[in-house]
Parts: sequence; structure tokens; C-alpha cells
Amino acid sequence: GAVVSQHPSRVICKSGTSVKIECRSLDFQATTMFWYRQFPKQSLMLMATSNEGSKATYEQGVEKDKFLINHASLTLSTLTVTSAHPEDSSFYICSPQVNTEAFFGQGTRLTVV
Amino acid sequence: DAKTTQPPSMDCAEGRAANLPCNHSTISGNEYVYWYRQIHSQGPQYIIHGLKNNETNEMASLIITEDRKSSTLILPHATLRDTAVYYCIVRVPLKFQVNQGGKLIFGQGTELSVKP
Repeated sequence: GAVVSQHPSRVICKSGTSVKIECRSLDFQATTMFWYRQFPKQSLMLMATSNEGSKATYEQGVEKDKFLINHASLTLSTLTVTSAHPEDSSFYICSPQVNTEAFFGQGTRLTVV
Repeated sequence: DAKTTQPPSMDCAEGRAANLPCNHSTISGNEYVYWYRQIHSQGPQYIIHGLKNNETNEMASLIITEDRKSSTLILPHATLRDTAVYYCIVRVPLKFQVNQGGKLIFGQGTELSVKP
């Protein structure tokens, strides 16, 4: 099966700082990357969709200047939460897609204090 | 918005079959039905998907009604490790990726509790 590596699994940062989350597809090339976030006891909420080499498309209500997505290669995408605030504390999950299959990272638990 | 409706929770006895229903009455002809599950604090795990025909793999079976407006995921012999939230998803095609899958919009899912 496809291997997705998301790092870090858990991060605590101070309010106002930025945090970068990496998502790597280790044994396949992902043309499309989805980023989700999940608040406690809620479902996954799609934040944005990106294609390698192109700008990401953000879902309604998601600030593109706050959640910076880079998809520079077919095996690596990053999500940077800029100027993080406590309300950004959440579980962030990447989902690289190849053909019709979407796989998921293990998630990153972000806590902003 | 998600195009599926699932019961919020279900219980199942260990060793018995777990049948998880899903309604997707507005599904379009080219949209697939996907099932994922999520165990607490982990990323979702793919289970199975289908378009029209029933599908079976080592994890589960997927039964899709003839009119495609509903489906049932069957875990034939549920174990305690199958306790998770199960998501039924209709895959919306991405406009810029013809025949290349599409967004996965998650609904609230069904919280399945397998009990000894």
C-alpha cells in the first residue's frame, strides 16, 4: 500500500509564531494534495487542494495568507500556519492523491498556547 | 457540503457482521462511493469504493442499491479493533482532473462501537 509520511505528528507553539507541516508520499508521486483540518469531535474539513507546481485552491472561509501551501514536487507538500493563534489549534491531515486513490497522512496535532 | 447521510452511531457485537448504511440520494452517474474509517487521533484509512457493482476486498464488502441512492458497508466479522468512525463519501470530480478522482468531502460519519 501507499506510504504517506506527515511530520511532525505533534507540535506545540507560541501564539504569533509560524508552524510548518510536511507531507511526503514515500513510494508514489502525488499530482494532487488535499489538506484537511479536524476539530475535536468533528469531521474532517477540507481546507485546500493543490496541484504540483500550481497555486492551491482554498475552500470558502479558509484564509490563503494564513495557511500557506507549497506543493513544489510530486512527493512533498507543506502547510505553513502563519501567525498561529489558539483558535488554530487543531488536527491537520494531508491527503495525497494518485489517479483515483486518495491516501492520508497520520495527522499533525497542533496546539497553540 | 457532504452528499451523504449516515446514522451517528451504531453498536455491534464482536464476531458478528456490522452493517453500516449510507444514503446518497443525489449521487450523479459518474460519482463513486468511497468508505474510509478513522480511529481516534489517526488519519483516515481507506476501506473500499465502488460505482455500481457490489465490491469485496479483504476488509469489507460494499453493497450498492440498483438506483445507487444508498449503500451498505459490511464488516463480516467485527473485532474490537474495528471500533472507529466510518465515513461514507461521494466523490465529487475535480474540474481540472477529468477521470482523476476528485475531492473527498467528509460528512459526520457513523461511530461504530464493537463490544465484547
